[in-house]
Amino acid sequence: QKEVEQNSGPLSVPEGAIASLNCTYSDRGSQSFFWYRQYSGKSPELIMFIYSNGDKEDGRFTAQLNKASQYVSLLIRDSQPSDSATYLCAAGTGDYKLSFGAGTTVTVRA
Amino acid sequence: DVKVTQSSRYLVKRTGEKVFLECVQDMDHENMFWYRQDPGLGLRLIYFSYDVKMKEKGDIPEGYSVSREKKERFSLILESASTNQTSMYLCASLLTSFDNEQFFGPGTRLTVL
Repeated sequence: QKEVEQNSGPLSVPEGAIASLNCTYSDRGSQSFFWYRQYSGKSPELIMFIYSNGDKEDGRFTAQLNKASQYVSLLIRDSQPSDSATYLCAAGTGDYKLSFGAGTTVTVRA
Repeated sequence: DVKVTQSSRYLVKRTGEKVFLECVQDMDHENMFWYRQDPGLGLRLIYFSYDVKMKEKGDIPEGYSVSREKKERFSLILESASTNQTSMYLCASLLTSFDNEQFFGPGTRLTVL
């Protein structure tokens, strides 16, 4: 069983809609959670990180963490064509290593 | 801005060749990582290093070795390349801090024929 699982996608949303990405993790020792965005042919770039239960907002992005359910999500509000990318969820256990999910590809339709 | 560079964007090698992939970071980060990325499998950690001359195996170290002689440079070595090592290889670096943000290089797409 993979340590970090993401909804497989691909996810297609119309421009202006909310894209909802989900991630579950199996290691209860995970302390930190990250969402990376990866454009086709490019390397991942960090867009959000979250450590505490609840919501964390940054512009159009909201990360949600529920440690009891071992669940992390990312909401992209007012989706734009430039949000079309693969989104990687990652979990860290405090030893500087990250476990990554396989990614969810999002396409925003103009 | 943190900059992580990798020696090649594209590389084609033959089965059995020894392959060197090099990664350099310019931000004095202690920690450096090598991943491979394959469709449907995400990023898998091959090796990481938390200091000069220190290394630890990741999840898939078989067939690979690493070298870190200087803080800014972390090399991945394929001792005898095989076709199943055809992949995208990504290097990352991390400052020892609470936020754990890893900065990635542009990647090397390696094809082994």
